[in-house]
Amino acid sequence: QTVVTQEPSLTVSPGGTVTLTCASSTGAVTSGYYPNWFQQKPGQAPRALIYSTSNKHSWTPARFSGSLLGGKAALTLSGVQPEDEAEYYCLLYYGGAQRVVFGGGTKLTVL
Amino acid sequence: QVQLQESGPGLVKPSQTLSLTCTVSGGSISSGGYYWSWIRQHPGKGLEWIGYIYYSGSTYYNPSLKSRVTISVDTSKNQFSLKLSSVTAADTAVYYCARGRSSSSVDYWGQGTLVTVSS
Repeated sequence: QTVVTQEPSLTVSPGGTVTLTCASSTGAVTSGYYPNWFQQKPGQAPRALIYSTSNKHSWTPARFSGSLLGGKAALTLSGVQPEDEAEYYCLLYYGGAQRVVFGGGTKLTVL
Repeated sequence: QVQLQESGPGLVKPSQTLSLTCTVSGGSISSGGYYWSWIRQHPGKGLEWIGYIYYSGSTYYNPSLKSRVTISVDTSKNQFSLKLSSVTAADTAVYYCARGRSSSSVDYWGQGTLVTVSS
């Protein structure tokens, strides 16, 4: 069974920078996994932030960026705002089986 | 702007079939080019992809649920649906419908609907 792993929790200070990562049990994450990133606040539906590794949706704030880092997908928040406190999920696409797997989520605390 | 809205029973008895519908507004399913997904979230847990359907009717399901899942589309009503058979308490979750511009992405989400499996 394929497992996608994220940091369970991270803490960052307002105005700081933090990087969340997303790893696959099958090996290094490449652009061919088309990593997506989502933000979910309590009681709300997830909101899409990044698709295909680094592409932003029209509504994605500029302080969010996606990349590949050390064999993992990465989401970097620069100049963190208090409203960025949320759960963040990554999604990887396994093309061979045409299926999607979500990571377990990272709870980001802004403190 | 595309909007998605889930509807269906909030309570389903064990062993029965869970049925949900997603109504799409602000865009036509039949216009093509998009993948229409169902995703669920167990209480206090992470997201689980259930499956998706292309407007043509091609479907792809999570292998762990494949034997119990059917996703279908009704282009005349601009809706797509989820059926999950033989439900147990483990199927209690918030169910989301969503749209993706490709099989590898999700952009718009519905607000989600809680389905509880209990007698």
